[in-house]
Amino acid sequence: AQSVTQLDSQVPVFEEAPVELRCNYSSSVSVYLFWYVQYPNQGLQLLLKYLSGSTLVESINGFEAEFNKSQTSFHLRKPSVHISDTAEYFCAVSEGLTGGGNKLTFGTGTQLKVEL
Amino acid sequence: DVKVTQSSRYLVKRTGEKVFLECVQDMDHENMFWYRQDPGLGLRLIYFSYDVKMKEKGDIPEGYSVSREKKERFSLILESASTNQTSMYLCASSLGTPSYEQYFGPGTRLTVT
Repeated sequence: AQSVTQLDSQVPVFEEAPVELRCNYSSSVSVYLFWYVQYPNQGLQLLLKYLSGSTLVESINGFEAEFNKSQTSFHLRKPSVHISDTAEYFCAVSEGLTGGGNKLTFGTGTQLKVEL
Repeated sequence: DVKVTQSSRYLVKRTGEKVFLECVQDMDHENMFWYRQDPGLGLRLIYFSYDVKMKEKGDIPEGYSVSREKKERFSLILESASTNQTSMYLCASSLGTPSYEQYFGPGTRLTVT
């Protein structure tokens, strides 16, 4: 069975500083990996995803994540955060099995708090 | 744009009441999901459906049931609400291919008193 670990429940950071949110997964098969973001009082939105090909994937608002198969990690990074990046971030994994469901397994989330 | 709507943003119910949470998606997605979100626990899958009238249990189905009579609508039912079901409930939908992301509704914050 697949599982996702987000070790940091909260990450405080000053505006314009770099940040890394860590995500490790376990699975016995090939996986698809996702990062979702949840702004206050909203549902989750997809931030970026890794399906295949280049191990470095980017979002339109400056976040990037790198798939590392040997370390089973998919850490999220941003070189310079903005106050508007304050949100909760969830890492998720799909085992990519065909057939019914397409289930995702989510981590417990990391609350990113950007301070002035 | 894909749109997933949920019937209520906030709901307050009494212990023992039957509660219906409804979710509608407008993109002809095959898959629909119900999660509950609790602080420190992330999202946990309650039930999902990959076709009309089809349903499968997720990780925490106890105390819940679901109904999917039409492709666009997926209902979560609490047969007899209890205080430990106070939570944020999120609905999501996706296409049938495994690589396709899930689209989420805004959530329903349910309080059972």
